[in-house]
Amino acid sequence: GAVVSQHPSWVICKSGTSVKIECRSLDFQATTMFWYRQFPKQSLMLMATSNEGSKATYEQGVEKDKFLINHASLTLSTLTVTSAHPEDSSFYICSARDLSSGTQETQYFGPGTRLLVL
Amino acid sequence: QKEVEQNSGPLSVPEGAIASLNCTYSDRGSQSFFWYRQYSGKSPELIMFIYSNGDKEDGRFTAQLNKASQYVSLLIRDSQPSDSATYLCAVNPDKLIFGTGTRLQVFP
Repeated sequence: GAVVSQHPSWVICKSGTSVKIECRSLDFQATTMFWYRQFPKQSLMLMATSNEGSKATYEQGVEKDKFLINHASLTLSTLTVTSAHPEDSSFYICSARDLSSGTQETQYFGPGTRLLVL
Repeated sequence: QKEVEQNSGPLSVPEGAIASLNCTYSDRGSQSFFWYRQYSGKSPELIMFIYSNGDKEDGRFTAQLNKASQYVSLLIRDSQPSDSATYLCAVNPDKLIFGTGTRLQVFP
């Protein structure tokens, strides 16, 4: 099956620092990856859609200069939280579409990255 | 009105029973529907997807879709304690939109 990995799984950082999270599709190529954020007891909220070789599309209310997304290859997308603050503490999850699966809308999720900003 | 609505639960069922999870959505243009399972502290994992009206069965899971009523459900037969998790309904009109999830508890 389609496997998506994320690194790191846990990050604790000081306020004001930047944090980079990697999302990789391990056994398939993903032209499109998605970044979600989930606060405790809430549902997943889409932050942005990452397209290989082009600029990401951000959802309303998500600051593109704060959450930098790079999708330089068909298997890797990165999310950088710049100048992180305590309110950015959350569970960040990426997903990717496996276009070879025959169900093009199906998204497979990475294990998530838990960010704690002190 | 929320785009995808689910009862937050918890829904408690005894082991071996049928668990019925429900979801309604607002966008009539939605074409594809997904059920994900999320264990506490983990990311969602896909259980089933359904595109057409009617039932779709996969092992102990059955997804049911009624586009006229804008309703999609998930039935879990022979529920097991390991099925205890939050079940997320997701709908795709043009991008995946998640409900807040229903917490299922299966007790021995």
